[in-house]
Amino acid sequence: DAGITQSPRHKVTETGTPVTLRCHQTENHRYMYWYRQDPGHGLRLIHYSYGVKDTDKGEVSDGYSVSRSKTEDFLLTLESATSSQTSVYFCAIEEGGGEAFFGQGTRLTVV
Amino acid sequence: DAKTTQPNSMESNEEEPVHLPCNHSTISGTDYIHWYRQLPSQGPEYVIHGLTSNVNNRMASLAIAEDRKSSTLILHRATLRDAAVYYCIPSYHLLTGANSKLTFGKGITLSVRP
Repeated sequence: DAGITQSPRHKVTETGTPVTLRCHQTENHRYMYWYRQDPGHGLRLIHYSYGVKDTDKGEVSDGYSVSRSKTEDFLLTLESATSSQTSVYFCAIEEGGGEAFFGQGTRLTVV
Repeated sequence: DAKTTQPNSMESNEEEPVHLPCNHSTISGTDYIHWYRQLPSQGPEYVIHGLTSNVNNRMASLAIAEDRKSSTLILHRATLRDAAVYYCIPSYHLLTGANSKLTFGKGITLSVRP
């Protein structure tokens, strides 16, 4: 299995609080992605990174920021969590060969 | 990004072949066609990808139409474990390593009957 770990796996937080999700890889892959998955919407890309300190927005980036200060870690931050950000979040890694590996997901509930 | 059209759901019997279709009529010449699947309560997993020629691996076969506007994922003998949502994703990808930026649609929900 590809070395990709998401933490935490589950989190409940209150509206208005900041939340940071971590994606850690041991594969030294260049590309990293954050997706969210909601019923009826499938997987939607939030942000992605194509190298250290190189990131770009996906289709649903409002309310989210990311940082990648080293190859192995890609952090997703919800600056001020809202109930609409309750979702399952998936991280993925890829080296550019067409095969991406996904983490097990983080289930976030904003109450 | 190229848009895709897939049926919402399909059913199959165990140990029979399954052909999962995908239309991607707006695909560009440099887009590869990726297939991923997602089992219940898991993250997506890679199945196969190709550009023009048909491709085979241990999981499945990918048949790509000559005009590249459609493709078919073939599971040769469906098992209960193959019950999942299957996504077809055209995505730009260079051999030298540009990213795929996979954009997922709704996918096909495959059910497998024992």
